[in-house]
Amino acid sequence: DVKVTQSSRYLVKRTGEKVFLECVQDMDHENMFWYRQDPGLGLRLIYFSYDVKMKEKGDIPEGYSVSREKKERFSLILESASTNQTSMYLCATLGTAFNQPQHFGDGTRLSIL
Amino acid sequence: AQSVTQLDSQVPVFEEAPVELRCNYSSSVSVYLFWYVQYPNQGLQLLLKYLSGSTLVKGINGFEAEFNKSQTSFHLRKPSVHISDTAEYFCAVRSMDSSYKLIFGSGTRLLVRP
Repeated sequence: DVKVTQSSRYLVKRTGEKVFLECVQDMDHENMFWYRQDPGLGLRLIYFSYDVKMKEKGDIPEGYSVSREKKERFSLILESASTNQTSMYLCATLGTAFNQPQHFGDGTRLSIL
Repeated sequence: AQSVTQLDSQVPVFEEAPVELRCNYSSSVSVYLFWYVQYPNQGLQLLLKYLSGSTLVKGINGFEAEFNKSQTSFHLRKPSVHISDTAEYFCAVRSMDSSYKLIFGSGTRLLVRP
């Protein structure tokens, strides 16, 4: 079974702080994703990485950056947190077969005060 | 570009009743289709997927979905729901042109009452 682990289930930070959300997978998947989930909006893609040190912007990258120094780890960075970034953040992975489903972590519920 | 519409934001049903959660999509190319379930305070778990072949797809926990190409729909059904099925359900599509991108609907909250 694919295991996708997000380092924190709940996180509370203050506006202006730099925030790191970490995601680790154990299935050697090339592709990793960061989504945010808001009520009534479903999941929206923030950033995507298809290899170490490679990244692509998703639909809502503003205010975020990412880092992928090792294949198994994909970090989401909020450079200067703002209250409108309060949300549920979900990490997902995908192997090379695009007809297969993405595998998700349990999510991090982030509150920015 | 693809889009996914889940017509119902919330569906309340009584335990042991049948349920259908609706999903319609639009796409100019052929797509793969997925249904995910999210239990409270958890991530998304795959319920079932349609890749090709038979249009009736069976998934986990007694759920099934039918792909209807002419109506561009992929509705999820269960003949008899349990309290434990209370969760949020997401329909998602990915184009067959080797795109990584998964497009999600806005979700349907299934509320099963005793």
